[in-house]
Amino acid sequence: AQKITQTQPGMFVQEKEAVTLDCTYDTSDQSYGLFWYKQPSSGEMIFLIYQGSYDEQNATEGRYSLNFQKARKSANLVISASQLGDSAMYFCAMREPFWRSGNTGKLIFGQGTTLQVKP
Amino acid sequence: EPEVTQTPSHQVTQMGQEVILRCVPISNHLYFYWYRQILGQKVEFLVSFYNNEISEKSEIFDDQFSVERPDGSNFTLKIRSTKLEDSAMYFCASSPDTRNEQFFGPGTRLTVL
Repeated sequence: AQKITQTQPGMFVQEKEAVTLDCTYDTSDQSYGLFWYKQPSSGEMIFLIYQGSYDEQNATEGRYSLNFQKARKSANLVISASQLGDSAMYFCAMREPFWRSGNTGKLIFGQGTTLQVKP
Repeated sequence: EPEVTQTPSHQVTQMGQEVILRCVPISNHLYFYWYRQILGQKVEFLVSFYNNEISEKSEIFDDQFSVERPDGSNFTLKIRSTKLEDSAMYFCASSPDTRNEQFFGPGTRLTVL
């Protein structure tokens, strides 16, 4: 069964510094997708970044980058130049292979990491 | 930019009552999902829906739950007889296919008293 682990319940970072949020996953599949979502205190889920298991390059979206280490089964989110508005809960999620019979594309989420950016 | 919408934003109900949570997915999307997040916990998959039928459901999605797409735009989650432990944030999500990201609605906070 697939599993996502986020071992940092809470993190602090100084404004303008970079921060890495950890995510490890467990799957026997070779093809899968990894996602990061941000959940501010208002509660909505905001998509940040996606990494496909066969993508050779690490994904980047603006200040977000994904440090994908397939052999270690880790997909850490790096936020550069933290801003006060980055304070939120961050979830790592995995999607099972799209080609698998009966695949529905459901996401399996980790427990989340609460990030607080200090001024 | 198209977005997933959900109504109501907050629903308070008495234990044993039926509730219907409504969602309008993005119009050209084909895959629809409901997730649940109990306060302070992770987001859990409830059910996926494709081609007008349930394609997968989790063990949480028991006989008290049902989903429906009554017309071309709405996607509803019904809880027949609510329990205290159904209190949670319920998210609807949609996706054009099973490869790309899912777009989440703002959620409905359900409080069962």
